[in-house]
Amino acid sequence: GAGVSQSPSNKVTEKGKDVELRCDPISGHTALYWYRQSLGQGLEFLIYFQGNSAPDKSGLPSDRFSAERTGGSVSTLTIQRTQQEDSAVYLCASSPISGNTIYFGEGSWLTVV
Amino acid sequence: AQSVSQHNHHVILSEAASLELGCNYSYGGTVNLFWYVQYPGQHLQLLLKYFSGDPLVKGIKGFEAEFIKSKFSFNLRKPSVQWSDTAEYFCAVNAGYGGATNKLIFGTGTLLAVQP
Repeated sequence: GAGVSQSPSNKVTEKGKDVELRCDPISGHTALYWYRQSLGQGLEFLIYFQGNSAPDKSGLPSDRFSAERTGGSVSTLTIQRTQQEDSAVYLCASSPISGNTIYFGEGSWLTVV
Repeated sequence: AQSVSQHNHHVILSEAASLELGCNYSYGGTVNLFWYVQYPGQHLQLLLKYFSGDPLVKGIKGFEAEFIKSKFSFNLRKPSVQWSDTAEYFCAVNAGYGGATNKLIFGTGTLLAVQP
Protein backbone atom coordinates (compact mmCIF):
# COMPACT_ATOMS: atom_id res chain seq x y z
CA GLY A 1 0.00 0.00 0.00
CA ALA A 2 0.88 3.65 -0.14
CA GLY A 3 1.48 4.01 3.57
CA VAL A 4 1.80 2.13 6.82
CA SER A 5 -1.53 0.53 7.62
CA GLN A 6 -2.62 -0.37 11.15
CA SER A 7 -5.64 -2.17 12.50
CA PRO A 8 -7.79 -1.84 14.43
CA SER A 9 -7.82 1.93 14.55
CA ASN A 10 -9.66 1.80 17.87
CA LYS A 11 -9.98 -0.99 20.39
CA VAL A 12 -11.74 -1.02 23.73
CA THR A 13 -11.03 -4.07 25.82
CA GLU A 14 -11.66 -5.25 29.33
CA LYS A 15 -8.86 -5.47 31.83
CA GLY A 16 -7.29 -8.90 31.73
CA LYS A 17 -8.12 -9.65 28.11
CA ASP A 18 -5.51 -10.17 25.40
CA VAL A 19 -5.31 -7.87 22.38
CA GLU A 20 -3.56 -8.08 19.04
CA LEU A 21 -2.61 -5.05 17.00
CA ARG A 22 -1.63 -5.42 13.38
CA CYS A 23 0.76 -3.44 11.21
CA ASP A 24 1.23 -3.64 7.46
CA PRO A 25 4.35 -1.65 6.52
CA ILE A 26 5.10 0.17 3.32
CA SER A 27 5.90 -2.35 0.60
CA GLY A 28 9.63 -3.01 0.36
CA HIS A 29 10.49 -1.55 3.77
CA THR A 30 12.59 -4.03 5.68
CA ALA A 31 12.68 -2.20 9.00
CA LEU A 32 9.58 -2.05 11.18
CA TYR A 33 9.08 -0.32 14.52
CA TRP A 34 6.49 -0.21 17.24
CA TYR A 35 6.11 2.86 19.43
CA ARG A 36 3.63 3.77 22.13
CA GLN A 37 2.23 7.26 22.57
CA SER A 38 0.62 8.04 25.89
CA LEU A 39 -0.94 11.32 26.94
CA GLY A 40 1.85 13.59 28.06
CA GLN A 41 4.49 10.90 27.63
CA GLY A 42 5.68 11.46 24.09
CA LEU A 43 6.68 8.51 21.93
CA GLU A 44 8.11 5.48 23.65
CA PHE A 45 10.09 2.98 21.60
CA LEU A 46 8.93 -0.62 22.04
CA ILE A 47 10.59 -2.89 19.49
CA TYR A 48 12.41 -2.85 16.17
CA PHE A 49 12.44 -5.50 13.44
CA GLN A 50 14.94 -5.91 10.66
CA GLY A 51 13.30 -8.44 8.39
CA ASN A 52 11.72 -11.03 10.65
CA SER A 53 14.21 -10.71 13.47
CA ALA A 54 14.03 -8.25 16.35
CA PRO A 55 17.52 -7.00 17.19
CA ASP A 56 16.15 -4.51 19.68
CA LYS A 57 13.20 -5.28 21.90
CA SER A 58 14.49 -3.23 24.80
CA GLY A 59 11.41 -1.03 24.97
CA LEU A 60 8.83 -3.71 25.66
CA PRO A 61 7.45 -2.72 29.08
CA SER A 62 6.90 -6.23 30.43
CA ASP A 63 6.66 -9.87 29.46
CA ARG A 64 2.97 -9.31 28.74
CA PHE A 65 4.07 -7.57 25.55
CA SER A 66 5.33 -9.49 22.55
CA ALA A 67 5.61 -8.91 18.83
CA GLU A 68 6.34 -10.92 15.77
CA ARG A 69 6.84 -10.29 12.12
CA THR A 70 6.32 -12.81 9.37
CA GLY A 71 7.43 -12.84 5.76
CA GLY A 72 9.36 -9.64 6.30
CA SER A 73 6.09 -7.79 6.13
CA VAL A 74 3.13 -7.81 8.50
CA SER A 75 3.75 -7.48 12.21
CA THR A 76 1.54 -8.21 15.18
CA LEU A 77 1.93 -6.67 18.62
CA THR A 78 0.26 -8.75 21.32
CA ILE A 79 -0.56 -7.54 24.79
CA GLN A 80 -1.61 -10.25 27.22
CA ARG A 81 -3.70 -9.69 30.34
CA THR A 82 -4.17 -6.02 29.54
CA GLN A 83 -3.98 -3.45 32.31
CA GLN A 84 -5.39 0.05 32.41
CA GLU A 85 -1.91 1.53 32.13
CA ASP A 86 -1.64 -0.13 28.71
CA SER A 87 -4.16 2.38 27.36
CA ALA A 88 -2.34 4.39 24.70
CA VAL A 89 -1.93 4.85 20.99
CA TYR A 90 0.28 2.15 19.53
CA LEU A 91 2.14 3.40 16.49
CA CYS A 92 3.80 1.30 13.84
CA ALA A 93 6.42 2.69 11.49
CA SER A 94 8.63 1.38 8.72
CA SER A 95 11.72 2.43 6.86
CA PRO A 96 13.71 1.16 3.90
CA ILE A 97 16.90 -0.74 4.60
CA SER A 98 19.19 2.00 3.47
CA GLY A 99 17.29 4.98 4.80
CA ASN A 100 16.78 6.49 8.16
CA THR A 101 13.51 8.23 7.54
CA ILE A 102 10.76 6.44 9.41
CA TYR A 103 7.19 6.59 8.14
CA PHE A 104 4.38 6.21 10.64
CA GLY A 105 0.95 4.70 10.46
CA GLU A 106 -2.08 6.33 11.99
CA GLY A 107 -1.94 4.21 15.09
CA SER A 108 -4.19 1.89 17.03
CA TRP A 109 -5.92 3.58 19.94
CA LEU A 110 -6.22 1.07 22.79
CA THR A 111 -8.46 1.70 25.76
CA VAL A 112 -8.48 -0.78 28.63
CA VAL A 113 -11.52 -0.49 30.87
CA ALA B 1 22.19 6.32 26.14
CA GLN B 2 20.74 8.76 23.70
CA SER B 3 18.13 11.20 24.91
CA VAL B 4 16.26 14.14 23.45
CA SER B 5 15.02 17.17 25.36
CA GLN B 6 12.36 19.54 24.19
CA HIS B 7 12.22 22.41 26.62
CA ASN B 8 8.97 23.97 25.50
CA HIS B 9 6.04 21.74 26.32
CA HIS B 10 3.30 24.13 25.32
CA VAL B 11 3.67 27.23 23.15
CA ILE B 12 0.93 29.70 22.28
CA LEU B 13 1.50 32.23 19.51
CA SER B 14 -0.51 34.64 17.45
CA GLU B 15 -0.56 34.33 13.69
CA ALA B 16 2.44 35.92 11.97
CA ALA B 17 4.61 35.56 15.07
CA SER B 18 7.97 33.88 14.71
CA LEU B 19 8.53 30.42 16.10
CA GLU B 20 11.53 28.70 17.59
CA LEU B 21 11.22 25.34 19.31
CA GLY B 22 14.21 24.06 21.19
CA CYS B 23 15.66 20.58 20.88
CA ASN B 24 18.79 19.24 22.53
CA TYR B 25 20.15 15.74 22.35
CA SER B 26 22.74 13.78 24.20
CA TYR B 27 24.99 11.63 22.06
CA GLY B 28 28.63 12.19 21.28
CA GLY B 29 28.84 10.50 17.91
CA THR B 30 27.35 10.98 14.49
CA VAL B 31 23.64 11.68 14.60
CA ASN B 32 20.75 11.99 12.24
CA LEU B 33 18.15 14.48 13.42
CA PHE B 34 14.48 14.82 12.63
CA TRP B 35 11.47 16.93 13.34
CA TYR B 36 8.08 15.28 13.05
CA VAL B 37 4.71 16.99 13.23
CA GLN B 38 1.34 15.62 14.29
CA TYR B 39 -1.64 17.71 13.26
CA PRO B 40 -4.87 17.22 15.22
CA GLY B 41 -6.37 13.85 14.37
CA GLN B 42 -3.61 12.94 11.97
CA HIS B 43 -0.58 10.68 12.03
CA LEU B 44 3.01 11.72 12.51
CA GLN B 45 4.58 13.27 9.44
CA LEU B 46 8.19 14.10 8.71
CA LEU B 47 8.78 17.84 8.73
CA LEU B 48 12.51 17.86 7.99
CA LYS B 49 15.67 15.92 8.61
CA TYR B 50 19.41 16.38 8.90
CA PHE B 51 21.89 13.68 7.92
CA SER B 52 24.99 15.62 6.87
CA GLY B 53 26.14 18.69 4.93
CA ASP B 54 24.58 22.11 5.33
CA PRO B 55 23.54 22.40 8.98
CA LEU B 56 20.61 24.62 8.02
CA VAL B 57 17.91 22.37 6.63
CA LYS B 58 14.65 23.41 5.11
CA GLY B 59 11.49 21.38 5.36
CA ILE B 60 7.91 21.56 4.30
CA LYS B 61 5.56 24.46 4.96
CA GLY B 62 8.31 27.01 5.49
CA PHE B 63 9.95 25.31 8.45
CA GLU B 64 13.69 25.12 8.90
CA ALA B 65 16.05 23.80 11.52
CA GLU B 66 19.67 24.44 12.34
CA PHE B 67 22.05 21.77 13.57
CA ILE B 68 24.63 23.23 15.95
CA LYS B 69 26.99 20.41 16.81
CA SER B 70 28.80 22.30 19.57
CA LYS B 71 25.52 22.89 21.36
CA PHE B 72 24.00 19.47 20.62
CA SER B 73 20.98 21.34 19.36
CA PHE B 74 18.56 21.13 16.46
CA ASN B 75 16.07 23.94 16.94
CA LEU B 76 13.06 24.30 14.70
CA ARG B 77 12.13 27.72 13.31
CA LYS B 78 9.50 29.38 11.21
CA PRO B 79 9.50 33.14 10.55
CA SER B 80 5.74 33.57 10.48
CA VAL B 81 3.32 30.96 11.82
CA GLN B 82 -0.19 30.33 10.59
CA TRP B 83 -3.23 28.98 12.35
CA SER B 84 -2.79 25.76 10.36
CA ASP B 85 0.55 25.19 12.10
CA THR B 86 -1.31 24.26 15.27
CA ALA B 87 0.03 20.81 16.02
CA GLU B 88 2.37 18.83 18.21
CA TYR B 89 6.03 18.86 17.19
CA PHE B 90 8.51 16.12 18.01
CA CYS B 91 12.25 16.20 17.76
CA ALA B 92 14.02 12.87 17.27
CA VAL B 93 17.57 11.56 17.03
CA ASN B 94 19.10 8.46 15.51
CA ALA B 95 22.66 7.37 16.16
CA GLY B 96 23.85 7.65 12.58
CA TYR B 97 24.04 5.22 9.69
CA GLY B 98 24.62 1.67 10.63
CA GLY B 99 23.50 2.33 14.15
CA ALA B 100 22.84 -0.86 16.06
CA THR B 101 19.11 -0.51 16.00
CA ASN B 102 18.36 2.32 13.64
CA LYS B 103 15.61 3.42 16.00
CA LEU B 104 14.57 6.99 16.66
CA ILE B 105 14.56 8.41 20.14
CA PHE B 106 11.90 11.08 20.49
CA GLY B 107 11.52 14.07 22.71
CA THR B 108 8.32 14.50 24.68
CA GLY B 109 6.88 16.90 22.13
CA THR B 110 5.86 20.54 22.03
CA LEU B 111 2.25 21.44 21.61
CA LEU B 112 1.91 24.59 19.50
CA ALA B 113 -1.33 26.52 19.46
CA VAL B 114 -1.58 29.39 16.99
CA GLN B 115 -4.31 31.89 17.66
CA PRO B 116 -5.93 33.61 14.66
